[in-house]
Amino acid sequence: GPKVLQIPSHQIIDMGQMVTLNCDPVSNHLYFYWYKQILGQQMEFLVNFYNGKVMEKSKLFKDQFSVERPDGSYFTLKIQPTALEDSAVYFCASSLRGSSAETLYFGSGTRLTVL
Amino acid sequence: AQKVTQTQTSISVMEKTTVTMDCVYETQDSSYFLFWYKQTASGEIVFLIRQDSYKKENATVGHYSLNFQKPKSSIGLIITATQIEDSAVYFCAMREGSSNTNKVVFGTGTRLQVLP
Repeated sequence: GPKVLQIPSHQIIDMGQMVTLNCDPVSNHLYFYWYKQILGQQMEFLVNFYNGKVMEKSKLFKDQFSVERPDGSYFTLKIQPTALEDSAVYFCASSLRGSSAETLYFGSGTRLTVL
Repeated sequence: AQKVTQTQTSISVMEKTTVTMDCVYETQDSSYFLFWYKQTASGEIVFLIRQDSYKKENATVGHYSLNFQKPKSSIGLIITATQIEDSAVYFCAMREGSSNTNKVVFGTGTRLQVLP
């Protein structure tokens, strides 16, 4: 089936540094999402993105977070500066039209460790 | 606000048996969609099956089926003839249909272990 690729699979950084998580969504998809999962718990919605804009974000999407998809390339999640509580697995997802009935296609996640 | 609750943290079953995983949801929306996803040991998240709130018939895909009890706001996942490779964490999720939100809300997951 369609694949969402996330690079890298694991990233370790020092607290206060900037990190960018990259996502290569399914090629013809138009809606993009980031979810955060801590220690194998539930996935918590961070943000969704369409047509170059943030459509919706949760309280977890702090001011230090930003997303973009420059020139239709990678969909990125940037955290600047990072904090210890940002350590988690971040999942990217995409969908074609963003309709409510559509399933999301997820990447395999990037495990972020903030030291 | 949307909410999805999975009370079973972990279940163990013998291979080739049937297992049911529970999920209840909360929504103010009259139209919504319910999903089950599977997360494998490698972390991969795979869509399994969907139930549309306006459909009375329970969805079925392969050896996955749903027990949709709308009055109870319940959407159980049934796996028949379980296999070792069904061992994974199963997440119930919901998306509202007619509200302004586009997000999918997940439950906390149920870890299924299928024993030989």
